[in-house]
Amino acid sequence: DADVTQTPRNRITKTGKRIMLECSQTKGHDRMYWYRQDPGLGLRLIYYSFDVKDINKGEISDGYSVSRQAQAKFSLSLESAIPNQTALYFCATGGQVGADTQYFGPGTRLTVL
Amino acid sequence: QKEVEQDPGPLSVPEGAIVSLNCTYSNSAFQYFMWYRQYSRKGPELLMYTYSSGNKEDGSFTAQVDKSSKYISLFIRDSQPSDSATYLCAMSANDYKLSFGAGTTVTVRA
Repeated sequence: DADVTQTPRNRITKTGKRIMLECSQTKGHDRMYWYRQDPGLGLRLIYYSFDVKDINKGEISDGYSVSRQAQAKFSLSLESAIPNQTALYFCATGGQVGADTQYFGPGTRLTVL
Repeated sequence: QKEVEQDPGPLSVPEGAIVSLNCTYSNSAFQYFMWYRQYSRKGPELLMYTYSSGNKEDGSFTAQVDKSSKYISLFIRDSQPSDSATYLCAMSANDYKLSFGAGTTVTVRA
């Protein structure tokens, strides 16, 4: 089984709808991250969490919110989706002390019409 | 100016060739340097990880870091069609956050 899972894998929605993307991990890592990937722009950090009670904004948090339900679960919400939020979304985990390596899930392809 | 610059390519090479990829960066606080490989419609996969300056070899992959020039490289020896992917450089200032390059798309022709 995959260490980091994301659901759904694909989603098509309409402008104005609320969308939730979910991430679960079995790696036992404390740190979890949400990124979006756009062609030519690479991966950009949306939100990150170093433990269940710690939530931090990344470089592009506007229009997004998150919830850390447990050490293993980190959800990303789009409160009112807009076409500009069409992208590939990745969840990642990190947990090695003294190292900043991160491990990624398979991604969610989101299309906002 | 972006914090991490990476030529997006695309790069096309024949099977068996050496693939050379590189990134430059502006933040002198970066200490951890990584390379990720991303196949189409998949998540990035950690390939190489280096702390501070120096070289690291793993199989057909060699990673080099030159902090004085703010320049990192990844070399793939004896490249195979299975190495066709997008390669992302990433780096961190020991704050558990990564800054990524835009990625270079590589195609190895059989």
